[in-house]
Amino acid sequence: DAGVIQSPRHEVTEMGQEVTLRCKPISGHNSLFWYRQTMMRGLELLIYFNNNVPIDDSGMPEDRFSAKMPNASFSTLKIQPSEPRDSAVYFCAGRGGNHNEQFFGPGTRLTVL
Amino acid sequence: GQNIDQPTEMTATEGAIVQINCTYQTSGFNGLFWYQQHAGEAPTFLSYNVLDGLEEKGRFSSFLSRSKGYSYLLLKELQMKDSASYLCAVRGQTGANNLFFGTGTRLTVIP
Repeated sequence: DAGVIQSPRHEVTEMGQEVTLRCKPISGHNSLFWYRQTMMRGLELLIYFNNNVPIDDSGMPEDRFSAKMPNASFSTLKIQPSEPRDSAVYFCAGRGGNHNEQFFGPGTRLTVL
Repeated sequence: GQNIDQPTEMTATEGAIVQINCTYQTSGFNGLFWYQQHAGEAPTFLSYNVLDGLEEKGRFSSFLSRSKGYSYLLLKELQMKDSASYLCAVRGQTGANNLFFGTGTRLTVIP
């Protein structure tokens, strides 16, 4: 199993540009989570899906952020327009295992100039 | 609300034992997780506690006291590769999918 796959691994963009982050969870993991991690705020949950349905998006910072999960094997997180304060590492995670623990992807390091 | 507290940083010597504490206040409780995160990498699952007591897994052990809202991660025979951040996370409610993470404890192992 390849584990959770995220792309791109690194993204550098200019303020105002649209950014799309992608995630492919482990097959069979029916819950998918998007997190943002910064030094100041640690790991923050943005949104999670259960069986492709958004369950809790209360962590999405504002309307500039949106997420979709069109099928069980793919999800996107979009920021439009991006701002410098969005610079962070964005992780995608799926839920599975003996304790329903979360399996994290390698993350996307986003820098907005 | 949810509140999870861990020390920000710790330093320990190679070969020694270190204990990383975590206290939590959450609306509901259905399990506590510890994750390890090396710099520049993703968090990886280390341990899970849902009942009071100690869970041992090799050099790592995790303890839980639900009445005190307290857990610790114990690392024995420290190795240089154990230098990492250790994240405490709580699952708030039965059937809930999401975890609430602490800000993590950055452990530095010195020779």
